[in-house]
Amino acid sequence: NAGVMQNPRHLVRRRGQEARLRCSPMKGHSHVYWYRQLPEEGLKFMVYLQKENIIDESGMPKERFSAEFPKEGPSILRIQQVVRGDSAAYFCASSPPGQGTYFGPGTRLTVL
Amino acid sequence: QKEVEQNSGPLSVPEGAIASLNCTYSDRGSQSFFWYRQYSGKSPELIMFIYSNGDKEDGRFTAQLNKASQYVSLLIRDSQPSDSATYLCAVTDGGYNKLIFGAGTRLAVHP
Repeated sequence: NAGVMQNPRHLVRRRGQEARLRCSPMKGHSHVYWYRQLPEEGLKFMVYLQKENIIDESGMPKERFSAEFPKEGPSILRIQQVVRGDSAAYFCASSPPGQGTYFGPGTRLTVL
Repeated sequence: QKEVEQNSGPLSVPEGAIASLNCTYSDRGSQSFFWYRQYSGKSPELIMFIYSNGDKEDGRFTAQLNKASQYVSLLIRDSQPSDSATYLCAVTDGGYNKLIFGAGTRLAVHP
């Protein structure tokens, strides 16, 4: 996983609750990418953040989803009022220059 | 809309054979190309990346890129049962490493 850390690894929420997923990028990196993998589907880009800035959020659903990467602490992907269709694996990634993109272990969200 | 296409498989090969995985992409402007391996329930693991036309070899793996045909492939020599996984092809979109993924090809290597 090349140093990308995510927690929790598994998260269970009931419909209508909030989910908070955390990601710390590779040491020394100040940017993260978030991807989502729905069951039996491919990985889809959600958002690209640098410290205190959202660079590209073109893959984020328009409602209920938000992301931040504060100056201190991990990046947070927040899903408000979760629905069953939000059940998926959410991956965070770092991309060292010239080396490709490395993924964290993921958070598997289950909405009951 | 930019797309990456892969045959979903499963691709079944005997142990010791060469597995050939293929991928096409729609955006001629794509610059970088990646192959990931993903075991069930795990995160994608980067196997190889390639930027230039031609072949790039790393151990048992060879990536091949043909930008004119918008085609990238991955060859796995001396396939092992432990290579059984889903292989994801990805291309960059834009000036940073935002990736567009194919749906993946399932590879099954049988003893």
